[in-house]
Formats: sequence, C-alpha cells, structure tokens
Amino acid sequence: GENVEQHPSTLSVQEGDSAVIKCTYSDSASNYFPWYKQELGKRPQLIIDIRSNVGEKKDQRIAVTLNKTAKHFSLHITETQPEDSAVYFCAREGVNDYKLSFGAGTTVTVRA
Amino acid sequence: EAQVTQNPRYLITVTGKKLTVTCSQNMNHEYMSWYRQDPGLGLRQIYYSMNVEVTDKGDVPEGYKVSRKEKRNFPLILESPSPNQTSLYFCASSPQGARGPTEAFFGQGTRLTVV
Repeated sequence: GENVEQHPSTLSVQEGDSAVIKCTYSDSASNYFPWYKQELGKRPQLIIDIRSNVGEKKDQRIAVTLNKTAKHFSLHITETQPEDSAVYFCAREGVNDYKLSFGAGTTVTVRA
Repeated sequence: EAQVTQNPRYLITVTGKKLTVTCSQNMNHEYMSWYRQDPGLGLRQIYYSMNVEVTDKGDVPEGYKVSRKEKRNFPLILESPSPNQTSLYFCASSPQGARGPTEAFFGQGTRLTVV
C-alpha cells in the first residue's frame, strides 16, 4: 500500500514545551493530509487537516505545515498540556482513488 | 446524535467460523471505510466505499469482504477468520467534499480475538 512514514514513534515533552511530529509520503498523487488524535481506549478523532493547495494551517495551539515538493508534512503543538497526551496519527488521501493511508502513530507524553 | 455505530464491541471466535461486524452511520455520508489497528502498525485500511454498490480494496483486504447495499450500512465479513485477524477494528464514515472525502468519523471500535 501507499507508504506513510511517521517519526518519532514516541515523544516525551515537558508541559509548556512544543511537540513536533513529522510524516513523509511517497505518492505525489496525494492531496489531503489529516491528523488524528487517539486517547487511550478511545476512537481516533480529527484534530486538524490540510489540503495540497495550502502550505500551513493553524488552529489555536495546533498547526500543520505541508511541503509538497519534499513530500512531507508536520504537526506542531505549542504550549503542551497534560491533556495533549495521546497517540497521534498522520494520514494522506489519494487524489484518484481516495484511499486513506495512515502513519504508524506517535505516542506523546506530556510531563507535568 | 450524529454517530457511527459498530457491533459487537468485543468478540471472541474460533478459527474458520464466519462472522460479520456491522457498521451503521446516521450522517448520510457517502464514504465509508474499515480499518484494523495493530500495535506499531497504526491504522490500515481494509476496504472502502465511495457510495452504494461501490467498494474498493484498501491496503490489507485479504481475508475480508464488505458490502454496501444501503448508504448507511457497511458490514465487514470474515468468511473464515484466522488468528492473524485478531485486531482492533474501526469503521468510519466521511462526508464528500468538493475535492474528495474529508473528516473521518470513527465508530467505537470492535475488539476481535480469533483463537
């Protein structure tokens, strides 16, 4: 299937610091890049998404950047709080087939 | 309440015994899909459907079947389950945007164990 690499697999940050997660993809026919947050024992939920015609998008403490030339996109969480602790997944959607491929996930732990 | 409902939530079965996991959404979404979640592998798409009577293979379709006879329902069928299909399964539905499906709304998950 379509390969989406996500790094790091685990991330521990001090409360108030920033967290950055990076994803790369190989299929240039990708135009939609969502990020999902999954708390322990819960279902994944969308936190932010970006389309290929946009380079950056912000929503309060969360931002996503996209570099289509380099085929990578990143999630930035600023001023982290304990409730940000969760597993985060990046994903990409194909232009022609609409298949959604996810990264393997990043477990983020925010230390109080 | 807008939601995606999967049943059952938990299932333990034996190898080779056919089973169906149901999925229903009440948001009139065109796009529905099934994923399996395994440690270290993230979410992998099994099958997806762009609309009624239209289904396509995802990244890991082997051993699974689906059907989309109605817009709201998208059942996942395991004709002959095997232990390597032990996993956490999620159904999701998405509205159709101008350039393709957008936000995926996930069901609560089905924990399947095949012994």
